[in-house]
Amino acid sequence: QVQLQESGPGLVKPAETLSLICTVSGSSVSVSQYYWTWIRQPPGKGLEWIGYTYYNGDTKYNPSFKSRVTLSVDTSKNQFSLKLRSLTSADTAVYYCARAVVGAKRLDYWGQGTRVAVSS
Amino acid sequence: DIQMTQSPSSLSASVGDRVTITCRASHDISDSLAWYQQKPGKGPKLLLFGASRLESGVPSRFSGSGSGTDYTLTITGLQPEDFGTYFCHQYYSTPQTFGQGSQVEVK
Repeated sequence: QVQLQESGPGLVKPAETLSLICTVSGSSVSVSQYYWTWIRQPPGKGLEWIGYTYYNGDTKYNPSFKSRVTLSVDTSKNQFSLKLRSLTSADTAVYYCARAVVGAKRLDYWGQGTRVAVSS
Repeated sequence: DIQMTQSPSSLSASVGDRVTITCRASHDISDSLAWYQQKPGKGPKLLLFGASRLESGVPSRFSGSGSGTDYTLTITGLQPEDFGTYFCHQYYSTPQTFGQGSQVEVK
């Protein structure tokens, strides 16, 4: 069965860069049928779509993050990753990775999420 | 950005009740709408997409309807395991956006 698992630091300092990895099992990041997506949820707030990466390295970002975020895919490890730069406390959130179906971009599988706090 | 206004923010209902959650988009999203259920500590689970298409394995008591800007998730015959937070998601345009969520308590 398809599973996604986020990993990364639970605490990062302001102005630093957050690096998260999503490890995929039961599905391949190398196929053209899916977009590999990141979403976050700040405490007490709604879900926020960050963007997605594709098997060939193409990306699409939320303009709110575009200047600070880089998404990439590692087909050799069946993983995809997020880098978010210039962190502030507003980036404190639960970060989810998810698989979106090309065409109808529904998010059909999600990870359980990883909590990230930005604090000195 | 397309704003998704979801209501109610919370509700409490009894087993067997019919529950309705609505989502209104700030622009026509042409049925590019999904509904998810989330339980504490877990990632969201896809229930419906394309406004009314049931995801494989999801019980038929879940249904979706609507068009244009107004969409509805209905649970017909609420079950104890249906507790959780439900939210809508438009994937019509970038950036994709989500409703704020509706917390469902089963009495």
